[in-house]
Amino acid sequence: AQSVTQLGSHVSVSEGALVLLRCNYSSSVPPYLFWYVQYPNQGLQLLLKYTSAATLVKGINGFEAEFKKSETSFHLTKPSAHMSDAAEYFCAVSVAGGYQKVTFGIGTKLQVIP
Amino acid sequence: DVKVTQSSRYLVKRTGEKVFLECVQDMDHENMFWYRQDPGLGLRLIYFSYDVKMKEKGDIPEGYSVSREKKERFSLILESASTNQTSMYLCASSTPRVGDQPQHFGDGTRLSIL
Repeated sequence: AQSVTQLGSHVSVSEGALVLLRCNYSSSVPPYLFWYVQYPNQGLQLLLKYTSAATLVKGINGFEAEFKKSETSFHLTKPSAHMSDAAEYFCAVSVAGGYQKVTFGIGTKLQVIP
Repeated sequence: DVKVTQSSRYLVKRTGEKVFLECVQDMDHENMFWYRQDPGLGLRLIYFSYDVKMKEKGDIPEGYSVSREKKERFSLILESASTNQTSMYLCASSTPRVGDQPQHFGDGTRLSIL
């Protein structure tokens, strides 16, 4: 079975500061990993995904994430926070062989302080 | 772009009513999913379907059923609504690849059971 843990349900950063949202996964087989973003009153949108092609993955809106197998981590970063980045972020994991069942983390709400 | 449309953004129903939540996708995706989203719990899978008339229970199917008569439409049914089913409900769809494809989400239905 796969699982994902997001450390910190709420994160606050100042505008222009580094954004770091943490995600650790557990999987008995090589995982596929995703970050999604949810803006208020909307569904989830894909930010980026890891599918074993490259360990550093770049996504939309300046976000990137690095897959570290030794640490079982897939942390999301952005060098400089913008007010429009305020949203909830979900890390998710799936594995090959099933009906693409995805397990989501509990989410991290990002607050950007002007 | 994939479009997943949920029929209602907000819905208020009474305890004991039979409630239907409808979801339609326009990208000919085989897989469709229903989640509920609650603060501090993230997204939890209720049911998913990998083909017309096929369905599989997710992690929290109790009190729910689903229907998939056409490929593009996936309905969630609350047989006898209860107050603990007040939640945000999210529908998603995806292609049937083995796990590396993202899910595409609707904007959600915020359901209140009084």
